[in-house]
Amino acid sequence: EPEVTQTPSHQVTQMGQEVILRCVPISNHLYFYWYRQILGQKVEFLVSFYNNEISEKSEIFDDQFSVERPDGSNFTLKIRSTKLEDSAMYFCASFGLSSYEQYFGPGTRLTVT
Amino acid sequence: GESVGLHLPTLSVQEGDNSIINCAYSNSASDYFIWYKQESGKGPQFIIDIRSNMDKRQGQRVTVLLNKTVKHLSLQIAATQPGDSAVYFCAETLPNQAGTALIFGKGTTLSVSS
Repeated sequence: EPEVTQTPSHQVTQMGQEVILRCVPISNHLYFYWYRQILGQKVEFLVSFYNNEISEKSEIFDDQFSVERPDGSNFTLKIRSTKLEDSAMYFCASFGLSSYEQYFGPGTRLTVT
Repeated sequence: GESVGLHLPTLSVQEGDNSIINCAYSNSASDYFIWYKQESGKGPQFIIDIRSNMDKRQGQRVTVLLNKTVKHLSLQIAATQPGDSAVYFCAETLPNQAGTALIFGKGTTLSVSS
């Protein structure tokens, strides 16, 4: 069964540093998403991406965040200057038009110290 | 045992019992609802979905009920197994937008003891 993959599984960084989280969505999917989940809390939407541009973003997705699809397979989330409160699990998801299901990756645990 | 009514952050059941997990969604305009299962250290996994023009949908051992009047969604798991132990989230989406963002509700941690 096709799956969304994410790297790294765990990223530790110091406050103020830039991080890039990577995702490989399912190959024939057209919509891509980033969500985050602070420990013990619900999953929160960050941003969606379609046709090489952001289609929707939440208030969490401020100027410190950016997304990119640098090639035909990868989808990245960049946090320019990390803060302690950015510590969370970050999930990538993708969606095709053959069903309404968004497929989630296993997540990257980001720890900001 | 089973639990109905308001959202509970945790639910403990015995193996073989039926489980009912409840969710109150936020937007009366939402027209598509999904239940996700999240096991420890993993991403959310799709279980079952339902559109707003339905009030019940059944899958294998799972049933989703939708009450639009009170904006309430429930997930019923029949003959609960230890492998069902996880956090369960409901999610909703707004209509008319393919690929729109999922809005997740608060999770319920289901613990199944054998």
